[in-house]
Amino acid sequence: AQTVTQSQPEMSVQEAETVTLSCTYDTSESDYYLFWYKQPPSRQMILVIRQEAYKQQNATENRFSVNFQKAAKSFSLKISDSQLGDAAMYFCAYRNFGNEKLTFGTGTRLTIIP
Amino acid sequence: EAGVAQSPRYKIIEKRQSVAFWCNPISGHATLYWYQQILGQGPKLLIQFQNNGVVDDSQLPKDRFSAERLKGVDSTLKIQPAKLEDSAVYLCASSLSGRGVSSSYNEQFFGPGTRLTVL
Repeated sequence: AQTVTQSQPEMSVQEAETVTLSCTYDTSESDYYLFWYKQPPSRQMILVIRQEAYKQQNATENRFSVNFQKAAKSFSLKISDSQLGDAAMYFCAYRNFGNEKLTFGTGTRLTIIP
Repeated sequence: EAGVAQSPRYKIIEKRQSVAFWCNPISGHATLYWYQQILGQGPKLLIQFQNNGVVDDSQLPKDRFSAERLKGVDSTLKIQPAKLEDSAVYLCASSLSGRGVSSSYNEQFFGPGTRLTVL
């Protein structure tokens, strides 16, 4: 079974600074997806960024980028120019290619300091 | 485009009572998911429907939880009887996927969830 581990329960960053959230996972599969989701107090999970395991290039979405290290099974999220609206819980998630079930980590609560 | 709708947003019940949650997925989405998110944890998949058929219910506590998706659109999740440990947020999600097992990517869109408190 796949597992996803987020070792940072809480992180904080000054507004406009850069922060990196960590995630490791365990799988025996070679083809899979990795995701970062944002969950604000409204509780609605919002997809931030997606990475396909077969792609060597790290995914980027505006201020959000990932550092995907397949051999190390590591998938970190970097948020540049942090904004107050980035404050939320962030979840790392895994999905096999042939199965739509998402496996989530325990989350990291990100606080933005004005 | 309207998102995934869920109701109620909040529910407080006493243990051993029954409760039901409702989900309306995005129009045209064939696959619907129910997740349970206990405080301090990530969401855990309870059940996955493709149209009105069950694809995966391996983590659904079937002695007390039931779910149905009539006509392949709306879905209800029921707990009967509720226990203290059922206190959680129940999230519904939907995706376009036309098959239960798919190698192509279809994003899951989540609803706002229902927060259940069992006293």
